[in-house]
Amino acid sequence: EVQLVESGGGLVQPGGSLRISCAASGFTFSGSWMHWVRQAPGKGLVWVSRINSDGSITAYADSVKGRFTISRDNAKSTLYLQMNSLRAEDSAVYYCAKDRGTGDGFDYWGLGTLVTVSS
Amino acid sequence: QSVLTQPPSVSGAPGQRVTISCTGSNSNIGAGYDVHWYQQLPGTAPKLLIFGNRNRPSGVPDRFSGSKSGTSASLAITGLQAEDEADYYCQSYDSSLGRYVFGTGTRVTVL
Repeated sequence: EVQLVESGGGLVQPGGSLRISCAASGFTFSGSWMHWVRQAPGKGLVWVSRINSDGSITAYADSVKGRFTISRDNAKSTLYLQMNSLRAEDSAVYYCAKDRGTGDGFDYWGLGTLVTVSS
Repeated sequence: QSVLTQPPSVSGAPGQRVTISCTGSNSNIGAGYDVHWYQQLPGTAPKLLIFGNRNRPSGVPDRFSGSKSGTSASLAITGLQAEDEADYYCQSYDSSLGRYVFGTGTRVTVL
């Protein structure tokens, strides 16, 4: 059974940093593209970032480029998102999602971790 | 800000058929990029409903169907059931923006 379990969310002050994680199991993590998608309270889904299977190629939404860094540890089957210079508008539930292939839709999602940026 | 436009809400009685449109442009749907659909039940994570414009993952009832034409795509739900009350999102890739894009989302209400 595929499982994606996010952790590391919480309350952080504007300008602060946070690293969230996503522990994967039940599939070949090292062979899968992975994504982060966020959803502000009461709002729609927004794609944040993507990493290819070996971690050599990454992509970011313009709103987080230069502030967020996606990475992965295939030995630990874990996906990360390092978030720096956080702003109030970054407050959201952050979901990790597995790609069906190479940009072919997101076939499995975690339950999400809530990040709140507030003073 | 979303480049894929969906109606905010649709509704129907149990057993009826409803459709949700997803309107894009020549840099996303019209450029040939696939459209995928997700269902988000209240308080839960999204779930893949349709991939590659019209394909259902294992376990998704055949009451759900997808189609694509030109710069738009549609999701149809036939035989509407109370359990179908949820938010639905389309998703594709936009070559001008160089990123994945979601639709604005549609709330389906069963009357």
